[in-house]
Amino acid sequence: DGGITQSPKYLFRKEGQNVTLSCEQNLNHDAMYWYRQDPGQGLRLIYYSQIVNDFQKGDIAEGYSVSREKKESFPLTVTSAQKNPTAFYLCASTIGQGNEKLFFGSGTQLSVL
Amino acid sequence: QKEVEQDPGPLSVPEGAIVSLNCTYSNSAFQYFMWYRQYSRKGPELLMYTYSSGNKEDGRFTAQVDKSSKYISLFIRDSQPSDSATYLCAMYNSGYSTLTFGKGTMLLVSP
Repeated sequence: DGGITQSPKYLFRKEGQNVTLSCEQNLNHDAMYWYRQDPGQGLRLIYYSQIVNDFQKGDIAEGYSVSREKKESFPLTVTSAQKNPTAFYLCASTIGQGNEKLFFGSGTQLSVL
Repeated sequence: QKEVEQDPGPLSVPEGAIVSLNCTYSNSAFQYFMWYRQYSRKGPELLMYTYSSGNKEDGRFTAQVDKSSKYISLFIRDSQPSDSATYLCAMYNSGYSTLTFGKGTMLLVSP
């Protein structure tokens, strides 16, 4: 079945540690996105990529990094510079080309130890 | 003024009630409007997608867009406990490449 797979479902980070969240899609979508969701805050865009080897910062990119080496994969690294990383992280994709019907993964809950 | 305003709720209704969920927005350039449903600790799923003003119906769900008032609605008829979730509105202008989301309204349907 086609879809977006995020892993792990739960992740714990120690102080000063970088952690990487995985996002893989087999929908053959061009565009991929990372959102952060905090209680009462809605969805905030971290990074997005419309094509392989290219990505743009969203509204809250500080303390995060991404790569897009393959069409299917868009991993997100939460660096030690992100001082408040505890949140629910959502990966999404669209066909692109102006079609913004986002399809979401099931999310990763990141917590600080 | 925030770009998209949505009452966070919770909105509590009895089973069988008609539910009305709403968003207002300030950017008149928005052309495409969506409603997503999100169950607790799950990814949002697309419920309704509409372009410009008017109504769109899908089963128990009706999406309504009034661009003159910058107001969109989602109506749920014969609400069920399984409809209990957070409903997010989203919208965009074809000139942009990212969606603007509301903060979501939590709906609770009691048996």
